[in-house]
Amino acid sequence: AQSVSQHNHHVILSEAASLELGCNYSYGGTVNLFWYVQYPGQHLQLLLKYFSGDPLVKGIKGFEAEFIKSKFSFNLRKPSVQWSDTAEYFCAVCEPDSNYQLIWGAGTKLIIKP
Amino acid sequence: EAGVVQSPRYKIIEKKQPVAFWCNPISGHNTLYWYRQNLGQGPELLIRYENEEAVDDSQLPKDRFSAERLKGVDSTLKIQPAELGDSAVYLCASTSDLAGVGELFFGEGSRLTVL
Repeated sequence: AQSVSQHNHHVILSEAASLELGCNYSYGGTVNLFWYVQYPGQHLQLLLKYFSGDPLVKGIKGFEAEFIKSKFSFNLRKPSVQWSDTAEYFCAVCEPDSNYQLIWGAGTKLIIKP
Repeated sequence: EAGVVQSPRYKIIEKKQPVAFWCNPISGHNTLYWYRQNLGQGPELLIRYENEEAVDDSQLPKDRFSAERLKGVDSTLKIQPAELGDSAVYLCASTSDLAGVGELFFGEGSRLTVL
């Protein structure tokens, strides 16, 4: 079965620190990749996505992610985090063999100290 | 534009009791999903509807779970009887053909606690 692995369950950073959240997936074929975010008390929402083309994709609020096919990775980055980035971040993969069903990682809870 | 609406937000019941969750998707969204999210895990698909047809219910525990989407709009997810292990957040999401593959719009979820 396909799987998505997020390396860190909890990350604590100070404001202005740089962020990188890891995401690895197991499927070897063509995939669509996503990062979703859930702010405290809010619903899950799409942060950014990769379908094809430039492996460096930019999302909302200054986030970006890089698709590295050889490493089966899609890490999320932000150069300088803010207190408002405190949230839970989920990586998800969607591939044709599963009828485009999203396979989700377990999530990373990010806490930004003011 | 109104988002996906779910109710109730919170529900506490004793084991063996029934419970139902309701979802109103975004207007015009033909695809509706029910997910279950256990603590510390990502969402797991329970059922997917295309309009009123359940096109993927392979992961729905059919002995106790049921779902319906009458008229292809609102949907209800029912558990009867509930077990301790059913404690989780039940998420509803919707999307349309106009959105990209994998782009889902989620409700705030219904948190179930079974005592």
